[in-house]
Amino acid sequence: GDSVTQMEGPVTLSEEAFLTINCTYTATGYPSLFWYVQYPGEGLQLLLKATKADDKGSNKGFEATYRKETTSFHLEKGSVQVSDSAVYFCALKRYSSASKIIFGSGTRLSIRP
Amino acid sequence: EAGVVQSPRYKIIEKKQPVAFWCNPISGHNTLYWYLQNLGQGPELLIRYENEEAVDDSQLPKDRFSAERLKGVDSTLKIQPAELGDSAVYLCASSSGQDYNEQFFGPGTRLTVL
Repeated sequence: GDSVTQMEGPVTLSEEAFLTINCTYTATGYPSLFWYVQYPGEGLQLLLKATKADDKGSNKGFEATYRKETTSFHLEKGSVQVSDSAVYFCALKRYSSASKIIFGSGTRLSIRP
Repeated sequence: EAGVVQSPRYKIIEKKQPVAFWCNPISGHNTLYWYLQNLGQGPELLIRYENEEAVDDSQLPKDRFSAERLKGVDSTLKIQPAELGDSAVYLCASSSGQDYNEQFFGPGTRLTVL
């Protein structure tokens, strides 16, 4: 079945460091890929998405590129801030599976001032 | 615009007791979802509504869980009786359509069963 695997946390970085959170997926066909973020005490928010191979999603300085050849969708940010501390979820949705999103297990990110 | 509202935010009960969670979706959103999020895991879909119809409840444990969405707006998720393993966060989300429309999540209800 469809699945998403992301790097385990917690990940702790200093402010202004470069961030990479790895995500790989298994799915038939051509799923859409997402990164969601969950700040403390809040619900999940869509951070960015890509709907086809080689698409790059970007938002708030974060980027991720849909790589079909490696079935990956790694999240990157050039310079993290303390306010980026949150839990990040990689997810996929197949067009034929109306509305069902498959989430990874999440990666907790902590940024030190 | 108000987001998805859930209540209560926290609930502590003893095992074998009933519990109910309430969700008010974003106005105009016809699709409503209930997700279960275990500690250290990503959310898993329990049930999806299109208006008042449950169109995907394949992952809902029907022996103890039930849900309703009267009038196609608010929704209630119930567990009766609760078990220790039901301790988790229950998330509600809504969207204005199906496939590629963004799902907006509420803050969740954290349930602890003692």
